[in-house]
Amino acid sequence: DAEITQSPRHKITETGRQVTLACHQTWNHNNMFWYRQDLGHGLRLIHYSYGVHDTNKGEVSDGYSVSRSNTEDLPLTLESAASSQTSVYFCASSEGQVRGNYEQYFGPGTRLTVT
Amino acid sequence: EDQVTQSPEALRLQEGESSSLNCSYTVSGLRGLFWYRQDPGKGPEFLFTLYSAGEEKEKERLKATLTKKESFLHITAPKPEDSATYLCAVQAVGGYQKVTFGTGTKLQVIP
Repeated sequence: DAEITQSPRHKITETGRQVTLACHQTWNHNNMFWYRQDLGHGLRLIHYSYGVHDTNKGEVSDGYSVSRSNTEDLPLTLESAASSQTSVYFCASSEGQVRGNYEQYFGPGTRLTVT
Repeated sequence: EDQVTQSPEALRLQEGESSSLNCSYTVSGLRGLFWYRQDPGKGPEFLFTLYSAGEEKEKERLKATLTKKESFLHITAPKPEDSATYLCAVQAVGGYQKVTFGTGTKLQVIP
């Protein structure tokens, strides 16, 4: 069955370190998304991609970057981790305009703690 | 700016006690409204997409409805396993695939 996987599931890092969170999907979806989820804020979009070599900033993109070198993967990099980036991170993908199915399918999440 | 407001924030029901969750939205042209279920420590799980006012979708004890300003998730005779946080999200017509999420309703069903 198609799925989205994220790794690691839990990560503790120190302020100032670079961290990369992995996201891999086997849906063959063109669209991929990164969100963070915090109490009281719901899911907020960090970056998104409509296809290989395409990346776009979301509403909370400062301090984060992504790159898309293939269809399956969209790694999220925190350039210099800050305590404000302690959160749960979710990756998602959707089919989009190909067949008009816009619902997003989510990975299990990565809990990141910055100390 | 697209906005989604869900109410109540939390809801506690006895097993078998039917109720509804509300999702009010403002969007510049609705492409779709989505309902998700999220269990603790897991990613959101897709439930329904609604596209136009008057549309209804059902799945087991859940039924989602849509008007021009809000959507309801009706839960009929809930069971403890229906306990979860239910998220509503909207996507606007346009060149973007991104959606705007509400903060969710945390449902607890007591045996």
